[in-house]
Amino acid sequence: DTEVTQTPKHLVMGMTNKKSLKCEQHMGHRAMYWYKQKAKKPPELMFVYSYEKLSINESVPSRFSPECPNSSLLNLHLHALQPEDSALYLCASRGPGNQPQHFGDGTRLSIL
Amino acid sequence: AQRVTQPEKLLSVFKGAPVELKCNYSYSGSPELFWYVQYSRQRLQLLLRHISRESIKGFTADLNKGETSFHLKKPFAQEEDSAMYYCALSGGSQGNLIFGKGTKLSVKP
Repeated sequence: DTEVTQTPKHLVMGMTNKKSLKCEQHMGHRAMYWYKQKAKKPPELMFVYSYEKLSINESVPSRFSPECPNSSLLNLHLHALQPEDSALYLCASRGPGNQPQHFGDGTRLSIL
Repeated sequence: AQRVTQPEKLLSVFKGAPVELKCNYSYSGSPELFWYVQYSRQRLQLLLRHISRESIKGFTADLNKGETSFHLKKPFAQEEDSAMYYCALSGGSQGNLIFGKGTKLSVKP
């Protein structure tokens, strides 16, 4: 299995809802990433997990809460989001050394 | 500061014409450079990385440290090459990527 799988593919939520995005990989990669991509813009790094520990938080608002329950899973918990948070959320993983990142299809999030 | 610059937002060529997508970078150490491609409604995919020096789908890219460039080239563009192309730099110990703004390549019949 050489894929990064993200669920759900689409999510519509209100500003008071709580939801979670999920990301899974079975390539044995120990580095996992969350990116946010607005339309016609490049991905912007949000969080990096290395060996299940949060190693980089790019000053992301606390309404986004990442979690890495094990080496294969990465979650992004969402609460009290704003309309400007509507975007494509990408998960990626990377093997050791100078390996490239593998991306999932993303979750397209719309905040009403 | 780490930075990736792709000067062209849009590049339009005819089928069979040569294509060059420009990428310049700024990095103080020895960077890892990549080209990623995003076809319409598909995931971001790795196209090339500088250390592998291979040709994928007819594309090549050479790292020029003197000019701090990593331009993507293809001698004969095909319609299926139409996509968004991102140049990216990996410089930190965590391997996080810094992306350029991207170039949309449109190949006309």
